[in-house]
Amino acid sequence: EVQLVESGGGLVKPGGSLRLSCAASGFTLGNAWMTWVRQAPGKGLEWVGRIRSRADGGTADYAASVKDRFTISRDDSINTLYLQINSLKTEDTAVYYCTAPNWNIGIDSWGQGTLVTVSS
Amino acid sequence: QSVLTQPPSASGTPGQRVTISCSGSSSNIGSNYVYWYQQLPGTAPKLLIYRSDQRPSGVPDRFSGSKSGTSASLAISGLRSEDEADYYCAAWDDSLSGRVFGGGTKLTVL
Repeated sequence: EVQLVESGGGLVKPGGSLRLSCAASGFTLGNAWMTWVRQAPGKGLEWVGRIRSRADGGTADYAASVKDRFTISRDDSINTLYLQINSLKTEDTAVYYCTAPNWNIGIDSWGQGTLVTVSS
Repeated sequence: QSVLTQPPSASGTPGQRVTISCSGSSSNIGSNYVYWYQQLPGTAPKLLIYRSDQRPSGVPDRFSGSKSGTSASLAISGLRSEDEADYYCAAWDDSLSGRVFGGGTKLTVL
């Protein structure tokens, strides 16, 4: 069974940095395309970015709103996905979810999310 | 302002059929698959429909998706109280090179 567990959220001052983790189990992270999605309090879903599988090059794409500040990476040896967030802004306050879509078999697994609060 | 447009709210009575629309453009819905998610309060979104009209294993056949041109719809038949949730559509956008979501529709079962 696929399981995703995010961690690393918390209260950070504007301009600060944070690294979120997503521990994956039930599948091999390196073989999967992974995404990050966020949801500001009381608001809708926003795609943050994705990272390709190793076989597909392992590169990442980002939403325009976070490009140059966010970096997606992964450590396949411990089956963990990361989201490095720099130069945090108040508008980055949100619950951050990692997801593991596999459209060939109609699955999109989500973690429980981790809350990032940016405030002075 | 979301790239995909959904009505902010919808409602129906138990047993009724409800449809939620999602409007986009040629760069997203017009040229890519549409996905639908259900989000119950305090929980992560759950995939309801993928590739515009496919249901994941375990999703009741009361839920169905369709797409025509630059618009898509989610239909829920035999409405139940447990269907009360927020519903989001999503699609890849070729112009933005990213995935876009609708603003969400809050479904109330009266």
